[in-house]
Amino acid sequence: SAVISQKPSRDICQRGTSLTIQCQVDSQVTMMFWYRQQPGQSLTLIATANQGSEATYESGFVIDKFPISRPNLTFSTLTVSNMSPEDSSIYLCSVEPTGDDEQFFGPGTRLTVL
Amino acid sequence: QKEVEQNSGPLSVPEGAIASLNCTYSDRGSQSFFWYRQYSGKSPELIMSIYSNGDKEDGRFTAQLNKASQYVSLLIRDSQPSDSATYLCAARRGSNYQLIWGAGTKLIIKP
Repeated sequence: SAVISQKPSRDICQRGTSLTIQCQVDSQVTMMFWYRQQPGQSLTLIATANQGSEATYESGFVIDKFPISRPNLTFSTLTVSNMSPEDSSIYLCSVEPTGDDEQFFGPGTRLTVL
Repeated sequence: QKEVEQNSGPLSVPEGAIASLNCTYSDRGSQSFFWYRQYSGKSPELIMSIYSNGDKEDGRFTAQLNKASQYVSLLIRDSQPSDSATYLCAARRGSNYQLIWGAGTKLIIKP
């Protein structure tokens, strides 16, 4: 499986500000995804990060709020914009190695918005 | 609405016993099924994937799939306190489709 790192691991932010989360993989992967997991809840897919094109967002998530970049096959960023306390959550990057049907998760970013 | 259902638990099992975790899914087109383990404060970790009807064993873990009845289960033999975690079940139609996640079952192994 791929080795995935995320930065920052946690942050406390003020409402109205933005935070960019980075996801780095140790090998080239076709598919990268961003999830949110609120306390005590299961995983919610935010978007699929597409290399070289715009991300594909799931219902309820928009690019203005969660802009995503995917400049190459090993790196992606998710920005949480104009944050409110409702954005407090764990944000997870996952990857699907090329030719594999399995997804592997990064360690996550724990975000608290005050 | 495609759904994956799990009993939220907690499921309490004595150490050394078999823990049985169950999951049902509504989409008959689902082809791939996954079990993840998530410790508190950590990210999900893939335990097993299963694609065909029947059993698939990996060490102390056995995944069982029954497509006719639309359920997937995970058996953990010789349960250890370190198996205490939330177990997430996920299903998908294929590699071009997103994973559909269950809410997870919290498992507690009592020494």
